[in-house]
Amino acid sequence: DIQMTQSPSSLSASVGDRVIITCRASQGISNYLAWYQQKPGKVPKLLIYAASTLQSGVPSRFSGSGSGTDFTLTISSLQPEDVATYYCQKYDSAPLTFGGGTKVEIK
Amino acid sequence: EVQLVESGGGLVQPGGSLRLSCAASGFIFSNYWMSWVRQAPGKGLEWVANIKQDGSEKYYVDSVKGRFTISRDNAQNSLYLHMNSLRAEDTAVYYCASRLDIWGQGTMVTVSS
Repeated sequence: DIQMTQSPSSLSASVGDRVIITCRASQGISNYLAWYQQKPGKVPKLLIYAASTLQSGVPSRFSGSGSGTDFTLTISSLQPEDVATYYCQKYDSAPLTFGGGTKVEIK
Repeated sequence: EVQLVESGGGLVQPGGSLRLSCAASGFIFSNYWMSWVRQAPGKGLEWVANIKQDGSEKYYVDSVKGRFTISRDNAQNSLYLHMNSLRAEDTAVYYCASRLDIWGQGTMVTVSS
């Protein structure tokens, strides 16, 4: 089975900082990669699909890139409301594995 | 309104069984693969199982194979997860999900004596 490895597992950054989260697949998954945001006590929310397509209604400070095995989620200017845990997920074929998550906090 | 509503969670003893249900509305349920995803307390998301539109293909994470069964009733716009031989490590919030962007609110399953 393909493993999904996210890094870092947590980060602390200042408001306005550029934040980059990486997700690596142990084998190629083309662009079948989604990113989710989960705030404490809330349901995961889809941010990006097909590695780089922004879901409707998601702020443009979020962007995704990558293909094959290496992917990134970028928050261009971190806002207080972005405090959350972020997950990547492969959806090319089962198992639809999630990464371990990246907890983002404000410094 | 597009909606998924889970039910059926609760407290069950180790070795016990439980059936979760998920009622879909606001979208064409029969057009989409459906998944169950769980999240243990304080832990990350774990994909559990999914099922094809017509129910002809089903896939499971290794840790639940042989114990959990996913099924669906397209006439009732409903998804199910039958869980047998439950273990403490199955304790989690269970979400049903579809199309990447549609998630239910989750139902809590606690396996404890």
